[in-house]
This record gives sequence, structure tokens and C-alpha cells, in this order.
Amino acid sequence: DAKTTQPNSMESNEEEPVHLPCNHSTISGTDYIHWYRQLPSQGPEYVIHGLTSNVNNRMASLAIAEDRKSSTLILHRATLRDAAVYYCILSSNTGTASKLTFGTGTRLQVTL
Amino acid sequence: DGGITQSPKYLFRKEGQNVTLSCEQNLNHDAMYWYRQDPGQGLRLIYYSQIVNDFQKGDIAEGYSVSREKKESFPLTVTSAQKNPTAFYLCATKETGFGNSPLHFGNGTRLTVT
Repeated sequence: DAKTTQPNSMESNEEEPVHLPCNHSTISGTDYIHWYRQLPSQGPEYVIHGLTSNVNNRMASLAIAEDRKSSTLILHRATLRDAAVYYCILSSNTGTASKLTFGTGTRLQVTL
Repeated sequence: DGGITQSPKYLFRKEGQNVTLSCEQNLNHDAMYWYRQDPGQGLRLIYYSQIVNDFQKGDIAEGYSVSREKKESFPLTVTSAQKNPTAFYLCATKETGFGNSPLHFGNGTRLTVT
């Protein structure tokens, strides 16, 4: 299964945009890129996903590189409630179940 | 109200005892997953199941067992063979085992073994 790599931690000021990077250099053509975030003592929650094109939803935007070997989760205006661990994972679109392996994620700190 | 129920939220056991963690879903999802999380660490996959009566080992299956007799249920048994069972255990579901549907997570069970 393809792996992803993310920085261990990032900091942002409140109301500023945040760009969280993810590298997935061994991604296959059928892998979707998913992002999740986890607050302390809770299960992760889905944020956004995409295949090739950039995606937007009410929570965030996802920018995918043209060669699909990296992607960036964009929080347009960080708030204190966005402080969490963010995970980037790959989900296979082939006929067999994907193992859906999580890395260590990026811990985002948001300060006033 | 659709969702995933993990029970109990906190579980305490003595070393050497087997313990079973419950995961029930009413989302009608085919795929179910068990992850383990240690303090300050990411999620590690224990077992996953794409359909009823079928499951596969994840990255750290040793010392664990599962069953998938019903679509709604995917219980995880932590056996006495698991060397370091104290951890936060998360169950997740997915509409199908592949494709672009997202994972849905329960709120976890925190297991402490002394």
C-alpha cells in the first residue's frame, strides 16, 4: 500500500490561512487522497477527499499536484477549533479492500 | 440516529484476561476496521473486513482476533497474547472497502490493562 508523509507539527495564527502538506510519491492512478482530523480523545472525522482535481467544501480545500505525488489541505481561516491532528491517507479504488493505513499526521497548533 | 457505537468508553482489565471490545453500526456499511492508537502516535490498523464472514489482518494483528458474523457488528478480542494491550481502540466503517467513500469513526474505547 502506498504511504504518505507529513510534517510532525505546524503552527498558525488565528484567522490566518493554513497549508498542510502531504507527500505520496508512490500513489497509484486509482488511489483517492483523503484527509481526516482528530481532536483529543475522539475518533478522527472526515474533512475532504479528491482524485485529480482540486476540491472545495465547507470545511477546507484540497489542492492536488498535477503529478498527484503531493497534496495540500488548505484551511482558509484557522480558528482555535481547528487545532487537531490532521491525517492524509490513500484509499484504493480497485476491486479489493484498501488497508487504509494512517501515518502519524500533522499536529496543528492555532494561537491567538 | 445513524452512527457507530463503541462500548464501553473506558475498560479496565487484569493482565492475562481476554477482553472483547464492541463495535456496532447502523449505517449499512459493508466495510469495518479496527485501529489502535497509542499516546502521541498515529493510528495503526489491526484488522479489517470488507463483507460479512470475511476479514483480513492489518499491520499489527498479533494478539488480536475478530469476527464478522453480522453486517452491523465487528467485535475485537484482545487476547492475553497481546504484549502491550493498553491503548485507545477505534472502530471505523466505510460504505464499501474501496473507492471514494469516507471512513466514519466511533468515539473509541480506552483499554487499560494492569
